[in-house]
Amino acid sequence: DGGITQSPKYLFRKEGQNVTLSCEQNLNHDAMYWYRQDPGQGLRLIYYSQIVNDFQKGDIAEGYSVSREKKESFPLTVTSAQKNPTAFYLCASSPDPRPAHYGYTFGSGTRLTVV
Amino acid sequence: GEDVEQSLFLSVREGDSSVINCTYTDSSSTYLYWYKQEPGAGLQLLTYIFSNMDMKQDQRLTVLLNKKDKHLSLRIADTQTGDSAIYFCAEIQVNQFYFGTGTSLTVIP
Repeated sequence: DGGITQSPKYLFRKEGQNVTLSCEQNLNHDAMYWYRQDPGQGLRLIYYSQIVNDFQKGDIAEGYSVSREKKESFPLTVTSAQKNPTAFYLCASSPDPRPAHYGYTFGSGTRLTVV
Repeated sequence: GEDVEQSLFLSVREGDSSVINCTYTDSSSTYLYWYKQEPGAGLQLLTYIFSNMDMKQDQRLTVLLNKKDKHLSLRIADTQTGDSAIYFCAEIQVNQFYFGTGTSLTVIP
């Protein structure tokens, strides 16, 4: 079955460490997105990529980095520069970055906790 | 992006109707969406409405759109315990989605 796989489901990080969250899709979608979810704040866009080898900053990109070397993969690195990284991270994809009725397809999320 | 606003919490009794409201910001949004998030999971697209429509019905779900007031609502008929979740409205601005804060729906048996 086609879909988006995020791993791991739970991740614990010590302060000062970088960690990388995986997002893989087999939907042949061109566009991929990373969102951060905090209670009561909804979803905030971190980075997005509309095509391989290209990506743009979203609303809260500071302290994060991404790469898009393959169409199916869009990993997110949470660096030590991110001051408050504990959150639920969601990856999404879309066949086309232009708006359409199908919206986005989401992964099941990674919960990152700083210990 | 500007804020898409929703109430944070809603409680209803099983069998009653639920109405979740959303105020969006971009009058030129082509599509408006409702997503459902169950605990610890990603978001699932429930339904969408095209901006030239006033209403869309899909089984127990009814979406109402008031473009003049930029108001979107989702009505769930005969609400069941399995409907307990967080519901997000979303709009498109400049080819990006902007999500509301989410409404946590609790269904009381």
